[in-house]
Amino acid sequence: AQSVTQLGSHVSVSEGALVLLRCNYSSSVPPYLFWYVQYPNQGLQLLLKYTSAATLVKGINGFEAEFKKSETSFHLTKPSAHMSDAAEYFCAVIHSSNTGKLIFGQGTTLQVKP
Amino acid sequence: EAGVAQSPRYKIIEKRQSVAFWCNPISGHATLYWYQQILGQGPKLLIQFQNNGVVDDSQLPKDRFSAERLKGVDSTLKIQPAKLEDSAVYLCASSLQIADYNEQFFGPGTRLTVL
Repeated sequence: AQSVTQLGSHVSVSEGALVLLRCNYSSSVPPYLFWYVQYPNQGLQLLLKYTSAATLVKGINGFEAEFKKSETSFHLTKPSAHMSDAAEYFCAVIHSSNTGKLIFGQGTTLQVKP
Repeated sequence: EAGVAQSPRYKIIEKRQSVAFWCNPISGHATLYWYQQILGQGPKLLIQFQNNGVVDDSQLPKDRFSAERLKGVDSTLKIQPAKLEDSAVYLCASSLQIADYNEQFFGPGTRLTVL
């Protein structure tokens, strides 16, 4: 069965520093992977998705993620953190190609310090 | 383009009471999802509709939860009777069709507190 594990429930960085949020997946088939962001009191917004094309995926707001099959990872990065990046981030994998059901990780809260 | 609409945004009830949530998906989106997000966890799919048919309700506690999408557009999710552990944010999402890569668009959610 497909699953994702997000390492670190809280990550704190200084404004302008590198952001690295970790996600490892488990999948018996080639996975489709997603990163979503959730701002306080809002729904989830798609940052980027991997659909077996390029392994380096660029998303919105300067975020990108690299699919590494050998490491079963799909870590999210941003070169320079901005205060507005403070939010909760979720990694997700498609559970079933027949239904498009998403399985989410536990989430990582990103804090950005001035 | 209007996003996914949900109401109410907040609801506080006593245990054993009933509650209903409403969702209006993005126009033209055939697939509708209800997720439960407990504090500190990722969203968990409760039920998925394709038009007005149920695709997946394997994680819906059917003894107390029910959902419908009668005309294939908007949907309601009901809890009767509510338990303390039902306190969560209930998220509705929609997508154009069922597909591995179709983006799901999420509404703002309904925050339910059961006392």
